[in-house]
Amino acid sequence: GAVVSQHPSRVICKSGTSVKIECRSLDFQATTMFWYRQFPKQSLMLMATSNEGSKATYEQGVEKDKFLINHASLTLSTLTVTSAHPEDSSFYICSARESASNYGYTFGSGTRLTVV
Amino acid sequence: DAKTTQPPSMDCAEGRAANLPCNHSTISGNEYVYWYRQIHSQGPQYIIHGLKNNETNEMASLIITEDRKSSTLILPHATLRDTAVYYCIVSSRGSTLGRLYFGRGTQLTVWP
Repeated sequence: GAVVSQHPSRVICKSGTSVKIECRSLDFQATTMFWYRQFPKQSLMLMATSNEGSKATYEQGVEKDKFLINHASLTLSTLTVTSAHPEDSSFYICSARESASNYGYTFGSGTRLTVV
Repeated sequence: DAKTTQPPSMDCAEGRAANLPCNHSTISGNEYVYWYRQIHSQGPQYIIHGLKNNETNEMASLIITEDRKSSTLILPHATLRDTAVYYCIVSSRGSTLGRLYFGRGTQLTVWP
């Protein structure tokens, strides 16, 4: 089945620095990937839709200048959290779907970001 | 925005069937019903999806009512490893649509 790899699984960074999270579709091409954020004991919140070769589409209330998304190839999307602050600490998850798949969306294993 | 309603929690004895309900009374004709589950601190795992017919795979069965306003996910023989949060989501499958909006889901606890 389709596999989505997310890296790193955990990252700790200092306040004010930027962090990049990678999301790769390993055995299929994904023209569209999605980025989610999940705070403790809460559900997943869709942040943005990443489109290969074009600008990402952000959900209402998500700062596009803070969460930079780049989808430069059919197998890679990156999320960069710029000027991170402690309130950005969260679990970030990406997902993708192979166009011809009957198996719905495949999710990465998530990235635990802690900003200190 | 999530367009589904699920009970916040359910219990099930190991080996018994777990029946998880979902209400999606505002579902549109082109929207599918997806079920995912999330084990603590992991990414969601796809379980099953359907449009209007009942579906079965190696993990579960999905029963969708004739009016499509509700559905039930059935895990026929629950195990301790099935303890997770189960999300019912409705979404279209178009390439530019098809965003998945998660609700609060149902915390299923399987006990020995």
